[in-house]
Amino acid sequence: EVQLLESGGGLVQPGGSLRLSCAASGFTFSSYAMTWVRQAPGKGLEWVSTITDSGGSTYYADSVKGRFTISRDNSKNTLYLQMNSLRAEDTALYYCAKLWGQLLTPIDYWGQGTLVTVSS
Amino acid sequence: DIVMTQSPDSLAVSLGERATINCKSSQSVLYSSNNKNYLAWYQQKPGQPPKLLISWASTRESGVPDRFSGSGSGTDFTLTISSLQAEDVAVYYCQQYYSTPPTFGQGTNLEIK
Repeated sequence: EVQLLESGGGLVQPGGSLRLSCAASGFTFSSYAMTWVRQAPGKGLEWVSTITDSGGSTYYADSVKGRFTISRDNSKNTLYLQMNSLRAEDTALYYCAKLWGQLLTPIDYWGQGTLVTVSS
Repeated sequence: DIVMTQSPDSLAVSLGERATINCKSSQSVLYSSNNKNYLAWYQQKPGQPPKLLISWASTRESGVPDRFSGSGSGTDFTLTISSLQAEDVAVYYCQQYYSTPPTFGQGTNLEIK
């Protein structure tokens, strides 16, 4: 059974940093692209970032480019999202998700999410 | 970026009746090389993460009831629930994965009438 367990969310002041983690199990982690999608309270889904299976290529939404960094450790089956210079508009539930294959495939599994709140 | 627009924003349907949700992309998501539409539908129930229902516009995922079906090609797509059940109350999203950034529709809130 595929499981994705996010952690690292919390309350942070504007301008602060957080590092999200996602522990994956139940599939061959190193064979799939992984992604982060966020959902602001009461709002829709917004793609944040994607990383290829090897970690060799990364992609970011314009809204987070230059502030967020996605990475993965295939030896630990873990996905990360380093979030710097956080803004109020980054407040959201952050989902770790597995792509069906490589880039340009649908998301077939989602974690439960970790809540990030940016507020003074 | 490809803009995905769903209609309606909200929909109330009686139990056992048909529900239809539309999704329109600002450009075609049909790859001519493999004749596949890079379009997915997700269901999100309150307090839960989204769940993949349909990929490639019309391929139902394993375990998804056959009352759910997807259709369309190019820029216009439809999710149909043939006979609405109480457990189908949710927000439904379409998503294109034809190009980066992948983009979602704004969501359609489906309720029981």
